[in-house]
Amino acid sequence: NAGVTQTPKFQVLKTGQSMTLQCAQDMNHNSMYWYRQDPGMGLRLIYYSASEGTTDKGEVPNGYNVSRLNKREFSLRLESAAPSQTSVYFCASRLQGGAEAFFGQGTRLTVV
Amino acid sequence: GEDVEQSLFLSVREGDSSVINCTYTDSSSTYLYWYKQEPGAGLQLLTYIFSNMDMKQDQRLTVLLNKKDKHLSLRIADTQTGDSAIYFCAERSGYSTLTFGKGTMLLVSP
Repeated sequence: NAGVTQTPKFQVLKTGQSMTLQCAQDMNHNSMYWYRQDPGMGLRLIYYSASEGTTDKGEVPNGYNVSRLNKREFSLRLESAAPSQTSVYFCASRLQGGAEAFFGQGTRLTVV
Repeated sequence: GEDVEQSLFLSVREGDSSVINCTYTDSSSTYLYWYKQEPGAGLQLLTYIFSNMDMKQDQRLTVLLNKKDKHLSLRIADTQTGDSAIYFCAERSGYSTLTFGKGTMLLVSP
């Protein structure tokens, strides 16, 4: 039981490049989330998926797209990376109706 | 929108108790959480409390909730150097999402 797994763990991109951050959970959770963490800003919600087949914008969605591929997987795509997207990205999941939300170990992204 | 506020820094000596405070604005919060983040790591769920509870105790951790004042605290008894980390308060209201504070850095000195 791995919990929430994020890949890659580290990535360096050039401005304008695209990439997809992957997230998978093996806890049969319905809801999945993408957050970014910046120094002094705490965690801010980018997008979330309350259940398979639905996605919604969070606080800071601009420059990102998401796909809820199936119940297990929720990916975050940067179409044209910008230095302002340098951050640590966390994926999380929660069972619908449950209290506990579990986080992955994060992806550290640097855009140069 | 919802807002969660925490003090940024707390320093204690090993063996003392630590109290980390948090205030939130959303009166419809259903659950309130405490997460711990060690350097370079993800967020570890420490504990959570349902909004109709006043207190929850789990080993060295005690969570107090004052719903009237929208104030949440985390007390760590017998604080150890391994407790040094950033602690995040978060609240969940309505449908699904968690709103986080900016985190409190706890430094425990020997």
